[in-house]
Amino acid sequence: DTGVSQNPRHKITKRGQNVTFRCDPISEHNRLYWYRQTLGQGPEFLTYFQNEAQLEKSRLLSDRFSAERPKGSFSTLEIQRTEQGDSAMYLCASSPSLGTSFNNEQFFGPGTRLTVL
Amino acid sequence: ELKVEQNPLFLSMQEGKNYTIYCNYSTTSDRLYWYRQDPGKSLESLFVLLSNGAVKQEGRLMASLDTKARLSTLHITAAVHDLSATYFCAVRTGANNLFFGTGTRLTVIP
Repeated sequence: DTGVSQNPRHKITKRGQNVTFRCDPISEHNRLYWYRQTLGQGPEFLTYFQNEAQLEKSRLLSDRFSAERPKGSFSTLEIQRTEQGDSAMYLCASSPSLGTSFNNEQFFGPGTRLTVL
Repeated sequence: ELKVEQNPLFLSMQEGKNYTIYCNYSTTSDRLYWYRQDPGKSLESLFVLLSNGAVKQEGRLMASLDTKARLSTLHITAAVHDLSATYFCAVRTGANNLFFGTGTRLTVIP
């Protein structure tokens, strides 16, 4: 399967613990996005990478959240000192750069469902 | 503040019937996307609309875009049970991220 993959698929943690999620984009895509989706809502943008550079962060991304994409391939999203309000589905998406795909279509991974107890 | 509103939020329709989902957005955007999401699953890309008047069709679904009215529609023809899902529209912001609508939960009843 050459689609976007995410690990783990489910994570249950206790409030105050740190968690880290991984996203592997489609191999030829140099743009990578993180979104958060709460129950009954549409996805909300968190952050965006072009290769290894983090080019945009949403105000939703508090100081407890950090994302990296060290080699321009896979990305990690870490949440420190988790709170119950962090419970959500965390979605990763990737897209080619404008040079190779005019429509900037984003392809989503299966998501990581986080439950904070 | 950018707003993307879908109407209706919930739609229950009988198999074989036609219906339209509306997506209104509050700011200029050059791209409009439609996605499908099944319960507990991720998002599947359906359509990318790039210009005013764009119309795309795939099977029983047809999407259109009117950038002047800031309106996109997703028309369902002769609905079948397999189309039951939540449908999201999204607009591309000045940056490269997507701003999603509220979603329309479609249930097709046999």
